[in-house]
Amino acid sequence: DIQMTQSPSSLSASVGDSVTITCRASQSISTLLSWYQHKPGKAPKLLIYAASNLQTGVPSRFSGSGSGTDFALTISSLQPEDFATYYCQQSSSSLTFGPGTIVEIK
Amino acid sequence: QLQLQESGPGLVKPSETLSLTCIVSGDSISSSNFPWGWIRQSPGKGLEWIGSLYYGGRTYSNPSFESRLNMAVDTSKNQFSLKLSSVTAADTAIYYCARTITYYDTVTGYYNLYYFDSWGQGTLVTVSS
Repeated sequence: DIQMTQSPSSLSASVGDSVTITCRASQSISTLLSWYQHKPGKAPKLLIYAASNLQTGVPSRFSGSGSGTDFALTISSLQPEDFATYYCQQSSSSLTFGPGTIVEIK
Repeated sequence: QLQLQESGPGLVKPSETLSLTCIVSGDSISSSNFPWGWIRQSPGKGLEWIGSLYYGGRTYSNPSFESRLNMAVDTSKNQFSLKLSSVTAADTAIYYCARTITYYDTVTGYYNLYYFDSWGQGTLVTVSS
């Protein structure tokens, strides 16, 4: 099984800050990596697929990078609506999610 | 616009079968080229893929659930369902349905599951006597 880890597990940031969340796979997954945003009581929202492709309708302040085992999600100029939990998900072997990163307001 | 809505009992007794339905609007299950999936989030834990199925009946499942999982499509109602048998307290979770996007693997010649592009809001199922 491919295990996914994320760091940090949580972070505090202010509106306007740039934040980066990292995701690591236990073995190479090429670019078969997606990112989701999840707010309590809401449907999870796809942000990025194929490691760096922005889903239609997602603001350009979200960007993804990486390949192989190391990936990153960057939010430039954090907005109030961006405070949420972020998950990565691999699809190289079965489908597994990372444990999540909580982005909180400082 | 594609919308998905989960429905089903919020309380299930241990050892019984958890049954949920996902109603799809904005797309026809029978004409969709994509499989439809289930994901859950247990209390205090992250997201866990359960399984996905095509309209034609082909299914994919997480090995952790395979032995007690049954999924089906009802095209007359444009919905799909999940049945998870022999539940325990560990199956208490918010259950989500979602459309599963696939990609073509040029090496194997097969379509593989890729990511989930549209999700329902989720429904809480508690397993308790």
